[in-house]
Amino acid sequence: GDSVTQMEGPVTLSEEAFLTINCTYTATGYPSLFWYVQYPGEGLQLLLKATKADDKGSNKGFEATYRKETTSFHLEKGSVQVSDSAVYFCALSERGYNKLIFGAGTRLAVHP
Amino acid sequence: DVKVTQSSRYLVKRTGEKVFLECVQDMDHENMFWYRQDPGLGLRLIYFSYDVKMKEKGDIPEGYSVSREKKERFSLILESASTNQTSMYLCASSPGGQGEKLFFGSGTQLSVL
Repeated sequence: GDSVTQMEGPVTLSEEAFLTINCTYTATGYPSLFWYVQYPGEGLQLLLKATKADDKGSNKGFEATYRKETTSFHLEKGSVQVSDSAVYFCALSERGYNKLIFGAGTRLAVHP
Repeated sequence: DVKVTQSSRYLVKRTGEKVFLECVQDMDHENMFWYRQDPGLGLRLIYFSYDVKMKEKGDIPEGYSVSREKKERFSLILESASTNQTSMYLCASSPGGQGEKLFFGSGTQLSVL
C-alpha cells in the first residue's frame, strides 16, 4: 500500500542554519503531498502542499517540490528560527476521500 | 477560522471501561477522521467518515468503533479500553475532494491504567 518515509530526528540546528528534512513516498497513481507542522501542545496544521508533479509548495519561508522521478517531497528552509521548533510530518493523500497517510514525523529543535 | 473541538484534553480510564471521545467541527465539512499519534509511528488512521452515518475503516480499526449521527460530530468509541490504547487521539475534518487540507483538533491524551 501507499506509504511515506521521512528522516528520523531529532534534528538540532542553530538559529539561521539551513534546514532540510527528507521525505520520500510510495504510491500508486498521483497523490497530493503535504507537510504538516505540530507545535508543542497543539494539533497539526498545514504548512504547505503540492498537488501535481513539479509543483512547489511554499509558506513561512519553507519550500518543498513534488519530484515524481525521485518520489520525493523534501522540506527546506534557508534560515531557521527558534520559533520553528516543532514536529514536522510529511503526508500523502490517496484518491477518493482525502484520507492522509503520514510519515513518522521529524522533531526539529532550533537553538539561539 | 475552522474550529475542530475535541471534548477532553486529558483523559484517564481503567482497563475494560467503555470510552467515548467526542469531536465537533463548525464548518460543515463532509469528511471527518480519527487518528492516533504514537512516538516513532506518526499518525495512523483509525476510522473516517465521508457523510452522516457513513464510516470506513482506516489502517488500525481493531478495538475501536465510531458514530456519526450528525454532520458536525464524530465520536470514537473504545468498547473495552486496554493499556495498548494509551495514546494521543487526533480528530480532523476536511471538505470533500483530494488535495483539500485537514483541520485538526488539539488532541486528547488518553491514558488507560
